[in-house]
Amino acid sequence: NAGVTQTPKFRVLKTGQSMTLLCAQDMNHEYMYWYRQDPGMGLRLIHYSVGEGTTAKGEVPDGYNVSRLKKQNFLLGLESAAPSQTSVYFCASSYSRLPTGTEAFFGQGTRLTVV
Amino acid sequence: AQKITQTQPGMFVQEKEAVTLDCTYDTSDQSYGLFWYKQPSSGEMIFLIYQGSYDEQNATEGRYSLNFQKARKSANLVISASQLGDSAMYFCAMREADSNYQLIWGAGTKLIIKP
Repeated sequence: NAGVTQTPKFRVLKTGQSMTLLCAQDMNHEYMYWYRQDPGMGLRLIHYSVGEGTTAKGEVPDGYNVSRLKKQNFLLGLESAAPSQTSVYFCASSYSRLPTGTEAFFGQGTRLTVV
Repeated sequence: AQKITQTQPGMFVQEKEAVTLDCTYDTSDQSYGLFWYKQPSSGEMIFLIYQGSYDEQNATEGRYSLNFQKARKSANLVISASQLGDSAMYFCAMREADSNYQLIWGAGTKLIIKP
């Protein structure tokens, strides 16, 4: 009954360090997404994937890279962390596009602080 | 221009009263979907309800209903008989048919239920 699992849940990075956030889903979803959530704002899409081996940029892709080598995993990388990347990161997955309206399922979030 | 607008940053409601959370949207697509999510203080994103643009009836899920007024481009969430556990952030989101599966989010409304 795992759903969408994100690791780690918390992380503190120094400016310039790199890290990878892992998202794993066990629902056989085609589509996966990485969002960031900042105070006073809705979620903003960083990158997304519509299937294994494919990725695309979202609204705020700069400073991030992603990979989807396996259908169940979607990795988000920060090559050189900056304080502006301090945020809560959410991974999500979903079955399909409109008009079926299937909702996205979310992970628990990763709270990242860059000092 | 904002595609999803939630005009109420915060609301206080007495327990057991009904509450309406406002959401207006902007799209030129004919096919789109509207979602409401709840985010309690623990941080997870919980799907509440979905309304498709072609759905003729307002969506309902238990105590949640969506007051969909297509001509006004509004999709307000109504919570009947509010409970203390309803205290949370509530987000409205939209997915357009031509959006490459992206969800566009409002800034959220913080709802506090008073005992």
